[in-house]
Amino acid sequence: KNQVEQSPQSLIILEGKNCTLQCNYTVSPFSNLRWYKQDTGRGPVSLTIMTFSENTKSNGRYTATLDADTKQSSLHITASQLSDSASYICVLESGGSYIPTFGRGTSLIVHP
Amino acid sequence: DTGVSQNPRHKITKRGQNVTFRCDPISEHNRLYWYRQTLGQGPEFLTYFQNEAQLEKSRLLSDRFSAERPKGSFSTLEIQRTEQGDSAMYLCASSQSSRTDTQYFGPGTRLTVL
Repeated sequence: KNQVEQSPQSLIILEGKNCTLQCNYTVSPFSNLRWYKQDTGRGPVSLTIMTFSENTKSNGRYTATLDADTKQSSLHITASQLSDSASYICVLESGGSYIPTFGRGTSLIVHP
Repeated sequence: DTGVSQNPRHKITKRGQNVTFRCDPISEHNRLYWYRQTLGQGPEFLTYFQNEAQLEKSRLLSDRFSAERPKGSFSTLEIQRTEQGDSAMYLCASSQSSRTDTQYFGPGTRLTVL
């Protein structure tokens, strides 16, 4: 069964600090790995998209990495802002038909 | 263009009733996706369209669920004989043609089945 596990489940940090969120997966083969940011009560917003052959992708203060050998991805947030408070979701898309597998997300709270 | 829109934003219905949701994608986006999300969980894939063709449908989707995109523009998702377990946020997203294209999500329709 394809699975995507995210850790930690929740994280509290101070404004200005960096943090790293983890995503471990068993989906194989896969075509794309995506990270989304979702504010409470709103639809997800795309942060990064990586194909299976890429190992890093940046979008401003967000940097995603992929290690296909260990089947891990991480999302690094630099110089956090209050507006970064949200749920961050990792998604693996299978290599054949489009059936994405979503993680449960990491809830990030940034305190002033 | 103002992005993906969904209507209604909220729907409260009684168990056993039918409901229909509408999604208007970003114009000229060929792909349209439906997802369902319950509280504290990540979204769950339901189905997706390439233009008017429904190309994938999750095995989790029971026969009570049906989706259409008749002219390759807006899409509707119908749930027949609703059950309390159908209570969730129903999300729609659209993208251009490639699988690596960014998906843009709408605000969702919150369904509550009493």
